Amino acid sequence: QSALTQPASVSGSPGQSITMSCTGTSNDIGGYDLVSWYQQRPGKAPKFLIYEVNKRPSGVSDRFSGSKSGNTASLTISGLQPEDEADYYCCSYVGRSTLVFGGGTKVTVL
Amino acid sequence: QVHLVESGGELIKPGGSLRISCAASGFSFSDHYMSWVRQVPGKGLEWIAFISYSSSYTHHADSVRGRFTISRDNDKNSLYLEMKNLRPDDTALYYCVRNFGVNRDDYYYMDVWGNGTTVTVSS
Repeated sequence: QSALTQPASVSGSPGQSITMSCTGTSNDIGGYDLVSWYQQRPGKAPKFLIYEVNKRPSGVSDRFSGSKSGNTASLTISGLQPEDEADYYCCSYVGRSTLVFGGGTKVTVL
Repeated sequence: QVHLVESGGELIKPGGSLRISCAASGFSFSDHYMSWVRQVPGKGLEWIAFISYSSSYTHHADSVRGRFTISRDNDKNSLYLEMKNLRPDDTALYYCVRNFGVNRDDYYYMDVWGNGTTVTVSS
């Protein structure tokens, strides 16, 4: 199973909104609403941000939102802040009891 | 407070074997599926295995199937990963992860992560 495709980098200025994509196929993202997103700050363990495409766990800022259209899932960060600078990974169930991550997107706050 | 603490990572020669462990605390360990996820330094995340509450169901990624085995001991609140025939491309930081799902038998999401233990495979 190949990794999901994410852009290598996305950048934005403080206060702006940015959106990053996560592209799969009809066998993974397109076939299931089982997409999650994780934030990984430098030198830290990943943090759970979004599940079931667009749901936020308790304690996660509502500046983070998820969506899906066809074979592509997206994560939007609104009101970009310096502490949002991190790597972001999508993950999807791909059938046969298997989970696959995307390659990650590095977010830079200008 | 919910904690996962990995241990056992070390430098090991190609072809060698190693068992890494994860100690869980602050939650009902036996009520959760658990997983291992690894990350090559400077690279992305790779899910490699999960195990159900009572160990009745396990699944491993193609990249490690037949070489790695996930297991757990609910009495000790511990998760394990037995690794055999290690290769240089197994060098990574190995994270212990708690699975989360909307339904009891779901395992699709990972809501609690340890800080990882480093396994280095090199001669």
